[in-house]
Amino acid sequence: DAGVIQSPRHEVTEMGQEVTLRCKPISGHNSLFWYRQTMMRGLELLIYFNNNVPIDDSGMPEDRFSAKMPNASFSTLKIQPSEPRDSAVYFCASSRLAGGTSKTQYFGPGTRLLVL
Amino acid sequence: GDSVTQMEGPVTLSEEAFLTINCTYTATGYPSLFWYVQYPGEGLQLLLKATKADDKGSNKGFEATYRKETTSFHLEKGSVQVSDSAVYFCALSAGGGADGLTFGKGTHLIIQP
Repeated sequence: DAGVIQSPRHEVTEMGQEVTLRCKPISGHNSLFWYRQTMMRGLELLIYFNNNVPIDDSGMPEDRFSAKMPNASFSTLKIQPSEPRDSAVYFCASSRLAGGTSKTQYFGPGTRLLVL
Repeated sequence: GDSVTQMEGPVTLSEEAFLTINCTYTATGYPSLFWYVQYPGEGLQLLLKATKADDKGSNKGFEATYRKETTSFHLEKGSVQVSDSAVYFCALSAGGGADGLTFGKGTHLIIQP
């Protein structure tokens, strides 16, 4: 089975440009998470969706960041305008929202973003 | 809010040495606890998990026991290999994984032959 797919794997852009990161969750999973990893702050949850509905976006840094999940198999994280401090690795993860006490999150390989 | 504290390292050990990576947490209620591993250039992989007090998670020779009285979830392995070199993250979820994970800063483990 294919894992979580993210694209692009690497992105270099200039300050002020719009950046769009994409994620395809594992088929059958109905929860999707966006995380950001930096040296200074470690791994932080940005936003997560259940059944395509945003549940918690309190980790989104500011209005320049937005995320959508138009259907069960696709999500985007957009930064507009981008700034150098947005440089980080962005991970998408998915899990199955089902009964039980523990729902494992499966991570994609990440998108390494560099804003010059 | 919830938080996870772990030794940051790097931790350098010789092959076949005993490994302990400490992890303590602060959370309301009874969170689920996880250890994830990240190899260079890759995403995170679940290593093991525990969902309630006194549960022991285990995988690939690694073990961790959910200790509610000490709010800890220390990772151990009896004999490490060079291939275990990676960054290890301790994490918790108040919702059993259904909500977002709160991660520690990660521990970089280096195993020398």
